[in-house]
Amino acid sequence: NAGVTQTPKFQVLKTGQSMTLQCAQDMNHNSMYWYRQDPGMGLRLIYYSASEGTTDKGEVPNGYNVSRLNKREFSLRLESAAPSQTSVYFCASSIQNTGELFFGEGSRLTVL
Amino acid sequence: AQSVAQPEDQVNVAEGNPLTVKCTYSVSGNPYLFWYVQYPNRGLQFLLKYITGDNLVKGSYGFEAEFNKSQTSFHLKKPSALVSDSALYFCAVRDNTGFQKLVFGTGTRLLVSP
Repeated sequence: NAGVTQTPKFQVLKTGQSMTLQCAQDMNHNSMYWYRQDPGMGLRLIYYSASEGTTDKGEVPNGYNVSRLNKREFSLRLESAAPSQTSVYFCASSIQNTGELFFGEGSRLTVL
Repeated sequence: AQSVAQPEDQVNVAEGNPLTVKCTYSVSGNPYLFWYVQYPNRGLQFLLKYITGDNLVKGSYGFEAEFNKSQTSFHLKKPSALVSDSALYFCAVRDNTGFQKLVFGTGTRLLVSP
């Protein structure tokens, strides 16, 4: 069972560079999410997609964009990376807004 | 706004002893509460949830959580800790407005010593 797959697992960027984090789920879930995890701050929601074709801002959307490409895929883009975006990023999915989220294994991003 | 607080950054317990990881919540309306666990270099995994009904909720890996409305708490418990329970534990509450997304606490690291 693949579940939620994120790529890449690790990435180092220079300030100002751009990149896209990819996420795909094979559970036929409607809702998908991007979180960032920082020490002492827990998980903070960046963007979410309640269903295919919709996206909404979460708690910390500045500096990010997302695309819900289809029901399976939800990508997160950093247009101009900043050191403050150094973090571990998690993609998650759920059937609906049941609260039972399935997480990917994370993508560790370092911005120099 | 909905929120949860995990007052302990770290909890240390000896293997075989009972463990408690604390969580308090603030929510308008009925609380929908969750516990997740994160093992090193892994994503979060769902442990258990409280929606309504019995105040003692049983979940995966022998964990349970006690909902206390008067104290606005939802503490995670296990009668006998295992070294393999060592991980990062997150409490979460469902936002009762709009899309009803989850709001996570800051996490508590549980260290179980042999």
